[in-house]
Amino acid sequence: AQTVTQSQPEMSVQEAETVTLSCTYDTSESDYYLFWYKQPPSRQMILVIRQEAYKQQNATENRFSVNFQKAAKSFSLKISDSQLGDAAMYFCAYRSVMGDDKIIFGKGTRLHILP
Amino acid sequence: DAGVIQSPRHEVTEMGQEVTLRCKPISGHDYLFWYRQTMMRGLELLIYFNNNVPIDDSGMPEDRFSAKMPNASFSTLKIQPSEPRDSAVYFCASSFIGGWYNEQFFGPGTRLTVL
Repeated sequence: AQTVTQSQPEMSVQEAETVTLSCTYDTSESDYYLFWYKQPPSRQMILVIRQEAYKQQNATENRFSVNFQKAAKSFSLKISDSQLGDAAMYFCAYRSVMGDDKIIFGKGTRLHILP
Repeated sequence: DAGVIQSPRHEVTEMGQEVTLRCKPISGHDYLFWYRQTMMRGLELLIYFNNNVPIDDSGMPEDRFSAKMPNASFSTLKIQPSEPRDSAVYFCASSFIGGWYNEQFFGPGTRLTVL
């Protein structure tokens, strides 16, 4: 069974600085999707960025980018120029391309932005 | 589109009472997921449907929990009888095959408190 591990329960970063959130996963599949979701205090789950495993190029969405290391099964999220609105819980998630349609979530990392 | 709609947003009830949570998925989506989020256990998938048919209910904690999807635009999650340990935020999400990465769109959640 696939698992997703986020080893950092909480992190803090100074406003305007860069922060990297770690995520590792375990799978025997060769193709899959990886996601980072953001959950602000409003509780709404918002998709931040997505990556398909067969694509070697790291995904980028404005100030958010990932470092996808397939061999190491690592999928970290980098937030550049951190803003107060980035304060939230961030979840790393895994989904098979084939097989069932479940998304497996990590436990989350709470990110604090220091003004 | 209004996104995934959940009701109520907050529910406070007493132990032993029946609780019904409601979800309206995004029109055209053929998958619907129910999740539960607690501090201790994180985000757990309870059950999901494809074309109104339950596919995997292995995450449903016990027989007190039941879910239905009578049509493509409505689903319910029922807890009977409720217990204090059921207190959590319950999310509904929907997606469709063929969508980019089969992304799941989440509703705002229902915060359930069982006294």
